[in-house]
Amino acid sequence: KNQVEQSPQSLIILEGKNCTLQCNYTVSPFSNLRWYKQDTGRGPVSLTIMTFSENTKSNGRYTATLDADTKQSSLHITASQLSDSASYICVVSDRGSTLGRLYFGRGTQLTVWP
Amino acid sequence: EADIYQTPRYLVIGTGKKITLECSQTMGHDKMYWYQQDPGMELHLIHYSYGVNSTEKGDLSSESTVSRIRTEHFPLTLESARPSHTSQYLCASSKSDRGNTEAFFGQGTRLTVV
Repeated sequence: KNQVEQSPQSLIILEGKNCTLQCNYTVSPFSNLRWYKQDTGRGPVSLTIMTFSENTKSNGRYTATLDADTKQSSLHITASQLSDSASYICVVSDRGSTLGRLYFGRGTQLTVWP
Repeated sequence: EADIYQTPRYLVIGTGKKITLECSQTMGHDKMYWYQQDPGMELHLIHYSYGVNSTEKGDLSSESTVSRIRTEHFPLTLESARPSHTSQYLCASSKSDRGNTEAFFGQGTRLTVV
């Protein structure tokens, strides 16, 4: 069964600190993995995309890693800001269908305190 | 900023009413999707479309229906709303590309049926 598991479920950190969010998946055949940021009451917005051959990709203070062998990904946030408070969702796409089906994790709810 | 719009943003209606949630995108995307998301939970695909006159049911059974008469428009209809339909509904669209397709999301409609 294709699944995406994220941890932790929620996380509270102080402004300026770093944090790492985890994503494990069983989706096969694998196409790509995206990290989305979803602010409260809004739709998700893509932060990074990782394909099979990529190990690390950065987008400003966000750095995503992918280990395709162990089917694990992480999202590292550096020097957190209050605006980073949101839900971070790991989304894995398969390549076994025309749709390119998206599989969503439940998200990690990050709260940054001043 | 994604050019995909949902209306209304919030809706509170009585049981038994017929409602239509609107979704429009100006990016010329062929694929469009409807997801349902309960608080703290993952997104579940309820409907999708490959293009005009194409509609399919998603992974999560839903009593709603959709139509795709125009490329840019993908409305979702509930003929008789019930309290169990209370949820957030997110519309998304993407290009017809089996590769690294990014799904762009609307801001969502939060529906409450009383």
